[in-house]
Amino acid sequence: GEDVEQSLFLSVREGDSSVINCTYTDSSSTYLYWYKQEPGAGLQLLTYIFSNMDMKQDQRLTVLLNKKDKHLSLCIADTQTGDSAIYFCAEKSGAGSYQLTFGKGTKLSVIP
Amino acid sequence: EAQVTQNPRYLITVTGKKLTVTCSQNMNHEYMSWYRQDPGLGLRQIYYSMNVEVTDKGDVPEGYKVSRKEKRNFPLILESPSPNQTSLYFCASSSGSGYSGANVLTFGAGSRLTVL
Repeated sequence: GEDVEQSLFLSVREGDSSVINCTYTDSSSTYLYWYKQEPGAGLQLLTYIFSNMDMKQDQRLTVLLNKKDKHLSLCIADTQTGDSAIYFCAEKSGAGSYQLTFGKGTKLSVIP
Repeated sequence: EAQVTQNPRYLITVTGKKLTVTCSQNMNHEYMSWYRQDPGLGLRQIYYSMNVEVTDKGDVPEGYKVSRKEKRNFPLILESPSPNQTSLYFCASSSGSGYSGANVLTFGAGSRLTVL
């Protein structure tokens, strides 16, 4: 079945850029997502990208998609302590489905 | 405010005592889903529902039941809870456009369940 892989931990200094990476196996993925989970809270959608795009930017967030390598990145510029959270990558396979496959999540720790 | 509401947020129970975790959404969403989150295992889907009276198993359905009698509600039932069901549970929903387009899920705040 489909698989989504992420590294489990990332530590960066406040003010630096963070890059969270994700790889997926499903070549028919149509949408790819990044969700953020703050401590004690549910997941919130950060952004998503359609598979025919290779980049999407939203303020401090940049999403890069390499469809050939099935690689997705979330770049956070000027990382702040409030960005400390777990970040989940997810993919949706095909057009006729609701189903998302989630990665295990990357815990981002921002050091002041 | 558009939201998914789960209750209870925290629960400690004992093995074998039936319990229900409720989930309600106020966005008229067609799709609803339950997940459990465990350390090192990420988010795993338990059951989902594409509309009223339409439910299907996810990846880890054993020991759980669901029902979808009304569009807004999707309760998760543990008939005979066991310690391996100790977990953090999330309900999520999305609109019908998510079937053919981007399926943007709205998550509840989570229900932390401990089974002794």
